[in-house]
Amino acid sequence: AQSVAQPEDQVNVAEGNPLTVKCTYSVSGNPYLFWYVQYPNRGLQFLLKYITGDNLVKGSYGFEAEFNKSQTSFHLKKPSALVSDSALYFCAVRPYGGSQGNLIFGKGTKLSVKP
Amino acid sequence: DTAVSQTPKYLVTQMGNDKSIKCEQNLGHDTMYWYKQDSKKFLKIMFSYNNKELIINETVPNRFSPKSPDKAHLNLHINSLELGDSAVYFCASSQVRSGSRTDTQYFGPGTRLTVL
Repeated sequence: AQSVAQPEDQVNVAEGNPLTVKCTYSVSGNPYLFWYVQYPNRGLQFLLKYITGDNLVKGSYGFEAEFNKSQTSFHLKKPSALVSDSALYFCAVRPYGGSQGNLIFGKGTKLSVKP
Repeated sequence: DTAVSQTPKYLVTQMGNDKSIKCEQNLGHDTMYWYKQDSKKFLKIMFSYNNKELIINETVPNRFSPKSPDKAHLNLHINSLELGDSAVYFCASSQVRSGSRTDTQYFGPGTRLTVL
């Protein structure tokens, strides 16, 4: 079965420190991977995606993610966290095949950045 | 100029009622989706739809039905509401080019449904 795992329910970081939110995946075929962020009582906002090419993908708000095929991972990173980055982060994968492109989401990781 | 919009934002209703949630996108996308986010924040696809094909997640009860009056709208109708239907429902859209899986989905703000 195709799936996405976010092993941490919550990540706590001090402002100014680097942050990493982990994601691993299990899919057949080439993975198309996405990160979304959900602020409280808001919808999901697209951050970045990996389709092909450079393993390091840069996205919105200074976030980036590194695709690692051997480790089947797509961790989200930011060099210097901001308090305003505190939110719920979802990793997602597009399943292989099919005519339409619904996403399979991880369970989400709550990021808390303290001043 | 909101890209994907949903109405209402909040919906409180009694068990057994029938309700609808509307979704509109002005991005010119050809595919729309409905997702359900439960109380633990877990997101799961319910439907995906374009002008050619409706794909239904087999776990979705047939009390739920999407209806698309045109390419820019995909409304969600729910019959005989149950307590377990309480959740946040998100609409999304994307442009699915033939042979490509690279499209990005854009989400609406969500509708919080509470069934009493």
